[in-house]
Amino acid sequence: GGIITQTPKFLIGQEGQKLTLKCQQNFNHDTMYWYRQDSGKGLRLIYYSITENDLQKGDLSEGYDASREKKSSFSLTVTSAQKNEMAVFLCASSPGTGNSDYTFGSGTRLLVI
Amino acid sequence: GQQVQQSPASLVLQEGENAELQCNFSTSLNSMQWFYQRPGGSLVSLFYNPSGTKHSGRLTSTTVIKERRSSLHISSSQTTDSGTYLCALERTEGADRLTFGKGTQLIIQP
Repeated sequence: GGIITQTPKFLIGQEGQKLTLKCQQNFNHDTMYWYRQDSGKGLRLIYYSITENDLQKGDLSEGYDASREKKSSFSLTVTSAQKNEMAVFLCASSPGTGNSDYTFGSGTRLLVI
Repeated sequence: GQQVQQSPASLVLQEGENAELQCNFSTSLNSMQWFYQRPGGSLVSLFYNPSGTKHSGRLTSTTVIKERRSSLHISSSQTTDSGTYLCALERTEGADRLTFGKGTQLIIQP
């Protein structure tokens, strides 16, 4: 079986700092996603990528950059961390459009002080 | 408006009782998926269920596309079933992403 790994598990940053979150999968899935989860708001899509070097904006892309360096990895950058921000960032992958079985990573918990 | 609505928002039951979670959607869809999330944990896929009924142990998922709803039934609940249950749909338009409901928080008391 495959695995999807997110690093780091916990991230504490300072206001205004640029912060990068990483995600790796060995399913050989085409599509990868970054979601943000806030308490009481469910999951919201930030960016996704349908293949290497592809980027598609989600509903919450402002304030973020993303990079699909290779098929197995997808990174997310918070361009300027907001003070008191606290959220969980979840990475996911799927075989691609038309095959919607998604697998999620265990998340990166962000706290900005 | 919100495309995926889950109900109830929270549910407290005694161990052994059955739980019924609902998901209603306002858009046409390709598929529906149910996830389970422990507090502070990752999402675990329970069912990938575009239509019809699927069973897995004490869990049953039923999706009726024409009625734009999906349900998750947990029979003989256990304290370890406690957590958040999320439904998510892949829309017909924009068929390359999941749209999530806000989740149902389930608490099973001993």
